[in-house]
Amino acid sequence: KAGVTQTPRYLIKTRGQQVTLSCSPISGHRSVSWYQQTPGQGLQFLFEYFSETQRNKGNFPGRFSGRQFSNSRSEMNVSTLELGDSALYLCASRRTGGASTDTQYFGPGTRLTVL
Amino acid sequence: AQSVTQLDSQVPVFEEAPVELRCNYSSSVSVYLFWYVQYPNQGLQLLLKYLSGSTLVKGINGFEAEFNKSQTSFHLRKPSVHISDTAEYFCAVPDRGSTLGRLYFGRGTQLTVWP
Repeated sequence: KAGVTQTPRYLIKTRGQQVTLSCSPISGHRSVSWYQQTPGQGLQFLFEYFSETQRNKGNFPGRFSGRQFSNSRSEMNVSTLELGDSALYLCASRRTGGASTDTQYFGPGTRLTVL
Repeated sequence: AQSVTQLDSQVPVFEEAPVELRCNYSSSVSVYLFWYVQYPNQGLQLLLKYLSGSTLVKGINGFEAEFNKSQTSFHLRKPSVHISDTAEYFCAVPDRGSTLGRLYFGRGTQLTVWP
């Protein structure tokens, strides 16, 4: 079974631009969560989507947004990029429906560099 | 919010030596606990998880962890490490009272195995 895929793997943008990152979950997984990883702040939760609805949101400004499609694929968008948005963005999917199977599986991440 | 403390940011060891990576969590209720590993330029891979039952949990690559409720700890151990175990290791706990879609991570422990 294919794992979580994220595109693109690397991205370079300049301040003020916007960016869209994509995540395709494992087949059958309906929940997608996004995390930002930086050396200074570590791994921080951005948001979770389930059945096309945002279920949970972390402490990030409104410039960070996301959505989920009917096939469970998810995108996150960052508008008006700042230098501090440079990070590895990780997507994770999970099956839901019981703790024994309810585990987050991570993609390889998208490395965003803001110049 | 939940929190996780990884007591060592870096752990250097020689090949074939035993290793313990320490993790303490804060919670007054039953918890689920996870250990993930991140190899360079990759996403997170699940090593093992504790849901309930036996306090000794076995994972992949010869790793195991012991859940200790009285000490609120979930330390990761391996009796004999290999060069290939060099990576960053993260302990994580889900958001209390919610689904498992939001994880709180420790700051990570960089394990470096020397020949």
